[in-house]
Amino acid sequence: GESVGLHLPTLSVQEGDNSIINCAYSNSASDYFIWYKQESGKGPQFIIDIRSNMDKRQGQRVTVLLNKTVKHLSLQIAATQPGDSAVYFCAENRGEDKIIFGKGTRLHILP
Amino acid sequence: EAQVTQNPRYLITVTGKKLTVTCSQNMNHEYMSWYRQDPGLGLRQIYYSMNVEVTDKGDVPEGYKVSRKEKRNFPLILESPSPNQTSLYFCASSLNRVSEAFFGQGTRLTVV
Repeated sequence: GESVGLHLPTLSVQEGDNSIINCAYSNSASDYFIWYKQESGKGPQFIIDIRSNMDKRQGQRVTVLLNKTVKHLSLQIAATQPGDSAVYFCAENRGEDKIIFGKGTRLHILP
Repeated sequence: EAQVTQNPRYLITVTGKKLTVTCSQNMNHEYMSWYRQDPGLGLRQIYYSMNVEVTDKGDVPEGYKVSRKEKRNFPLILESPSPNQTSLYFCASSLNRVSEAFFGQGTRLTVV
């Protein structure tokens, strides 16, 4: 089965609130993690990445947190906007050449 | 404009009829991949290529072939398509395995 997964398949968030999307991974050898956003009818789009030697990385309105102790990855989106509605995928690279994607979380923005 | 181009976008074919989905990138990327996306299963890597003439199996390679004769192109070949290969396919490229990937727009394949 998938070693990268998400705790919630659907997340509903009020516009303006912060969103937190979670991801669990099982391979401690993974050294690179990426979050992608996929809008309807489009290919996945890179959001942010983090290497295993980091705990936190910030981008524009997004923050990725990596907890290697519990093998957990999260994506935080600040001040969620309607344009953030999409499916979000985490992906891991296990120190080899394969990339494993999680099954995705749909983020739904409530007006 | 930096992009990954897949063709065709939509394809309906019959079981057993060989087909090729093309993928081309204009970013001089070394790493290219093919994925299939199915409801509830997310994206699964079919094949990847670290560079020209270097390809390897991903998680679901059965029934597929690839080639990497040139850096920019990475076609996906289905020698004898079957209905269980009906899916949405994405090609992606990145500078290397630890850098952001750029995805094509997808190819929706239906095998009847």
